[in-house]
This record gives sequence, C-alpha cells and structure tokens, in this order.
Amino acid sequence: EAQVTQNPRYLITVTGKKLTVTCSQNMNHEYMSWYRQDPGLGLRQIYYSMNVEVTDKGDVPEGYKVSRKEKRNFPLILESPSPNQTSLYFCASSLGQGYNEQFFGPGTRLTVL
Amino acid sequence: QKEVEQNSGPLSVPEGAIASLNCTYSDRGSQSFWYRQYSGKSPELIMSIYSNGDKEDGRFTAQLNKASQYVSLLIRDSQPSDSATYLCAVKEGGYQKVTFGTGTKLQVIP
Repeated sequence: EAQVTQNPRYLITVTGKKLTVTCSQNMNHEYMSWYRQDPGLGLRQIYYSMNVEVTDKGDVPEGYKVSRKEKRNFPLILESPSPNQTSLYFCASSLGQGYNEQFFGPGTRLTVL
Repeated sequence: QKEVEQNSGPLSVPEGAIASLNCTYSDRGSQSFWYRQYSGKSPELIMSIYSNGDKEDGRFTAQLNKASQYVSLLIRDSQPSDSATYLCAVKEGGYQKVTFGTGTKLQVIP
C-alpha cells in the first residue's frame, strides 16, 4: 500500500530533551516536506527536500533540523524542544518533477512541557 | 511571502445543495490544490488544477483564474460526509514551496 508513515504518533516530552520524528514514504517520491498545524494558523511549512541531500527552509524553520540521506526517509529533529513547538506535525511527499500533489502522513501530536 | 486567504467559516449548506468554497492568493501561482481534512485526521487531496478554467471530478469542480489570483471549489449534491475543513494550497511557479490557507470549515446539514 502506498503510504507515508510517521513515528511516533503521539509524544509528550520536556523542554530541552532532543527528539526525532521519523517520516518514511514507499512511493519513490522525490519531494518531501514537514508541516506544523496550529489552531487558527493552518498548515505552515517547516522544511522541504527536493531530493537526497537537497533540503531548504520553509516558513517556520527555527528550532528544527532535517536530513535527507535516503530518498524514502526525511526525519525531523528538534535539538532542544520548547513549549512553543507543541503542535501537530505532518510529513508529506509528492512525486516532484512538476507533479506536486502531496500525500500526507497520519500526523504526530507533540507536547513539550 | 505568499499569502493564501480563505474564509474560515463555518459554511453551512443543506444536504443536496451546492457548496462554494473560495480562495485568493497574493502572488503568482502556477498550481492550485484543494485538500479535505476531517477533524483529527491528515489532509487528503481532492483536486489539483494547473490551468485557467474549470476542472471537474465527480461532484467536485475546481475553477482557477490566475490573473485574478483566485481559485474556487464547488461541491455539488453536498452530503453530510462532506462536512470537513477544506484547505486551499498554491504553489508558485519556479519554486518548490507550497503555501496553504487556514481552511474553510464546511457543515452539511441533513
């Protein structure tokens, strides 16, 4: 089944404790992206990647890191999480090469205390 | 920075009616997308539209006017199962960023 998977689905952590949210897709998509969704603010792009080893900042990259060492994986790293990073996070992927219809993962609900 | 504007709603329509959702954006957009998001779920693509004019898929019709920076979604014969938040997204030509609006909540009343 073609899908985007994220882990964990739910995470409660404390300020300053490094964490990684994994994202994997099995559709051989070139483009992958991370979003956060907050009430009243909608979906905001954190980082995106056009292909392996090619990443770029979205609209709200502060406090986040990403890497794209393999085509299928695009982990989101929070080196020192803070309470303002409490949010619902979505990973998405698309074919690229002009086809930008994105497929979303199930989401990760993160709470930073 | 591109802005994508949507009326937050809620937009309430009776079952069987046509629901009309609108979206405007501030910069040149080459591709537009409509996603549906049920509460607590991830967005799912309904339609993409790349060229000016209309695009129909079942009960859904998207309309794009690049000169006016406007895209709309019509849902015919609305069903209670259509009740969700509808997200408009726009991609600017030559760039890889996709900007989302904050969404319009649609309620279809049985």
